[in-house]
Amino acid sequence: GNSVTQMEGPVTLSEEAFLTINCTYTATGYPSLFWYVQYPGEGLQLLLKATKADDKGSNKGFEATYRKETTSFHLEKGSVQVSDSAVYFCALPLDSGAGSYQLTFGKGTKLSVIP
Amino acid sequence: GAVVSQHPSRVICKSGTSVKIECRSLDFQATTMFWYRQFPKKSLMLMATSNEGSKATYEQGVEKDKFLINHASLTLSTLTVTSAHPEDSSFYICSARKPGGSVETQYFGPGTRLLVL
Repeated sequence: GNSVTQMEGPVTLSEEAFLTINCTYTATGYPSLFWYVQYPGEGLQLLLKATKADDKGSNKGFEATYRKETTSFHLEKGSVQVSDSAVYFCALPLDSGAGSYQLTFGKGTKLSVIP
Repeated sequence: GAVVSQHPSRVICKSGTSVKIECRSLDFQATTMFWYRQFPKKSLMLMATSNEGSKATYEQGVEKDKFLINHASLTLSTLTVTSAHPEDSSFYICSARKPGGSVETQYFGPGTRLLVL
């Protein structure tokens, strides 16, 4: 099945700093790629997605570009806020086939933003 | 967005006892629910896929007799850890998938922290 390798944390940044969390994947074909976020005490939420090569997913100031040449989907934000403190997971379908609804996740990167 | 709840949020039990964790989709019917286990500093590991009205499909290496899954209704799936041991201590997360959606249209519960003494 497909797999994902994600930069390990924790990451601590000052407010307004630039954020990059690295994610690379191994997959058959070109499945959709996702970033999920888990705020303290809450379930994982879909943050953004990209469905094909060169697509850029974006949401809440976060961006990630689907790069098939480097098999990467790095998460970036130009200016983080305290409210961005959370755990971020890179994910993709476990199986690239149609009708596959199971996800495989990276280990998660805990981000702490200090004022 | 859709809401999925888990109960309890935290449970401590003695070794040898059984623990039931509930996963409910509060505002939609979920024909498929997934159960994950999260180890410290490791990724979420898919344990099983639960389909309403049929037997769960377990991932390789997951003991189906130890982790009993029941998906009795379109809004409720339960995971029972039978004869729990300290190595079963972990964070268990469920997700519920909206019918007709794509792979990412699954909504996650907040997780249940299990500690077996």
